[in-house]
Amino acid sequence: KQEVTQIPAALSVPEGENLVLNCSFTDSAIYNLQWFRQDPGKGLTSLLLIQSSQREQTSGRLNASLDKSSGRSTLYIAASQPGDSATYLCAVRPVGDYKLSFGAGTTVTVRA
Amino acid sequence: NAGVTQTPKFQVLKTGQSMTLQCAQDMNHNSMYWYRQDPGMGLRLIYYSASEGTTDKGEVPNGYNVSRLNKREFSLRLESAAPSQTSVYFCASEGGGQGQETQYFGPGTRLLVL
Repeated sequence: KQEVTQIPAALSVPEGENLVLNCSFTDSAIYNLQWFRQDPGKGLTSLLLIQSSQREQTSGRLNASLDKSSGRSTLYIAASQPGDSATYLCAVRPVGDYKLSFGAGTTVTVRA
Repeated sequence: NAGVTQTPKFQVLKTGQSMTLQCAQDMNHNSMYWYRQDPGMGLRLIYYSASEGTTDKGEVPNGYNVSRLNKREFSLRLESAAPSQTSVYFCASEGGGQGQETQYFGPGTRLLVL
């Protein structure tokens, strides 16, 4: 069974600092990996999707990398802003499966 | 284009009561999902529907039933609510293909079972 872990569970940084969020997974046979953002009391919003054949994806200040062999993905957020405060979840889709396995998330607070 | 909508937003039930959570999407997606989210446990899949007329159990299906009424709508029913079903419920639909399958989530239903 695929296990997805996100450490740390919470992170607080001053505005302007770069954020590094980690996601690890136990089975490297993945189809794709997604990073989501969740604001308090809201649903999830997809940020980036990395296919298994890709090493990274970028969108604006966000960059996500994928290392399947080591079972790791990292989400980088450059020059953090208070508006980046949210919970970030990663989710892995195994090969040949429709189910996503979610991590428990990292809650980020960016202090002004 | 409303995306994925869910009703109700909040609900309080007494143990043993029943209710149906409604979900609809306007993105013409085939696949739809029901998840529950509990503190510290991430999202867990309750049921999945690959297309109209088909449903499959997910990780935690006990105590729930689903109906894929048509391509747009996917409802979740609690026949006899229990306090362990207190949670936030999310519906999602999936679009894209060829490795780009992306899930789009509704705003959630917050359920308290007393």
